[in-house]
Amino acid sequence: DAGITQSPRHKVTETGTPVTLRCHQTENHRYMYWYRQDPGHGLRLIHYSYGVKDTDKGEVSDGYSVSRSKTEDFLLTLESATSSQTSVYFCAISNRGSGTEAFFGQGTRLTVV
Amino acid sequence: QKEVEQDPGPLSVPEGAIVSLNCTYSNSAFQYFMWYRQYSRKGPELLMYTYSSGNKEDGRFTAQVDKSSKYISLFIRDSQPSDSATYLCPPGAAGNKLTFGGGTRVLVKP
Repeated sequence: DAGITQSPRHKVTETGTPVTLRCHQTENHRYMYWYRQDPGHGLRLIHYSYGVKDTDKGEVSDGYSVSRSKTEDFLLTLESATSSQTSVYFCAISNRGSGTEAFFGQGTRLTVV
Repeated sequence: QKEVEQDPGPLSVPEGAIVSLNCTYSNSAFQYFMWYRQYSRKGPELLMYTYSSGNKEDGRFTAQVDKSSKYISLFIRDSQPSDSATYLCPPGAAGNKLTFGGGTRVLVKP
């Protein structure tokens, strides 16, 4: 898994609660990404980071925030979880700004009830 | 129009057959072409990467890119049940982020 660890792997949470997902890498890759994957939609980019404290929005960023205080860690926060955020979340890393040759983590399955 | 189009499948083939997968894309700025394989409940894994038109071979896998027609193919020879997965073909461009389609599900039957 190219030295990527996502935690937790599974989580059930209640509507309205904040949730933080963590992505940890040991590859020292500059770029990190958060995607969500839903049936019928494929993988969609939520947020990405191009360096420590440098982040930007993807195509489905509403309701999500991110932080990257260290090269190895990229946190995704659902500020107030909703049922529409029930999904599988994947973190990816790359040494290329285009996201090419990205390596993915194993995913976090999040259920909002 | 979606940036990447793939037939969702499932594409069912007998073991040993050649699997042929295709993608079309709409943005002529795409320069990099990749194939990812994703097993159920796992993260996508990079299979092949190319940045030019033509063929690239890696073992049983051959990737083909035709930039003039915006068409990408992946061929899997001597398919195995372990090749049963979803295959994704995100094209990329400098300064842009990978755009994923929904993928094609492949079933290789013993």
